Amino acid sequence: KNEVEQSPQNLTAQEGEFITINCSYSVGISALHWLQQHPGGGIVSLFMLSSGKKKHGRLIATINIQEKHSSLHITASHPRDSAVYICAARQLGNQFYFGTGTSLTVIP
Amino acid sequence: ETGVTQSPTHLIKTRGQQVTLRCSSQSGHNTVSWYQQALGQGPQFIFQYYREEENGRGNFPPRFSGLQFPNYSSELNVNALELDDSALYLCASSLVGREAFFGQGTRLTVV
Repeated sequence: KNEVEQSPQNLTAQEGEFITINCSYSVGISALHWLQQHPGGGIVSLFMLSSGKKKHGRLIATINIQEKHSSLHITASHPRDSAVYICAARQLGNQFYFGTGTSLTVIP
Repeated sequence: ETGVTQSPTHLIKTRGQQVTLRCSSQSGHNTVSWYQQALGQGPQFIFQYYREEENGRGNFPPRFSGLQFPNYSSELNVNALELDDSALYLCASSLVGREAFFGQGTRLTVV
């Protein structure tokens, strides 16, 4: 069993749809990160969460520490949001455990 | 632009050879970690360096080794390359407990 589980693995949405990606983790964490990876490999950090909720533009990330669960929401999705979204649990020692990613395709 | 630079961006090596990958951390970041991402998989933790000392290691054999320099830049060395070592290698730099910044990665192909 992986330390970090994401769902769904693949997601196709129509432009404008509201999208939710879920992440559950089993390790103790200092923070939970949501990352975006485009084809070619480069990873961009979207959010770092240790509690509650954060919003950046059309992106919202929430975390429930007691339930060890986090969600990434995208409002009014756009084709440029198409990417792989990775949930990463950061342990106290700074080590990350990554989910396998959710591949999102937004169709115009 | 994350301030973390990896080189080279792409590399092809032959089985049995040795390879060195480099990571230039964001200024002031004293922690660097390396990850291997096989095609279609999430990244896997290789090891982490803090102030030039290894302070964490994942489930990788000893032929994966590293260095962190006084300026906090870092190297990942892989000896006796195997076909399964073909992957994207990512480094991430941070201050302890603070947000991590990732490089663009080095895509290694072993033939």
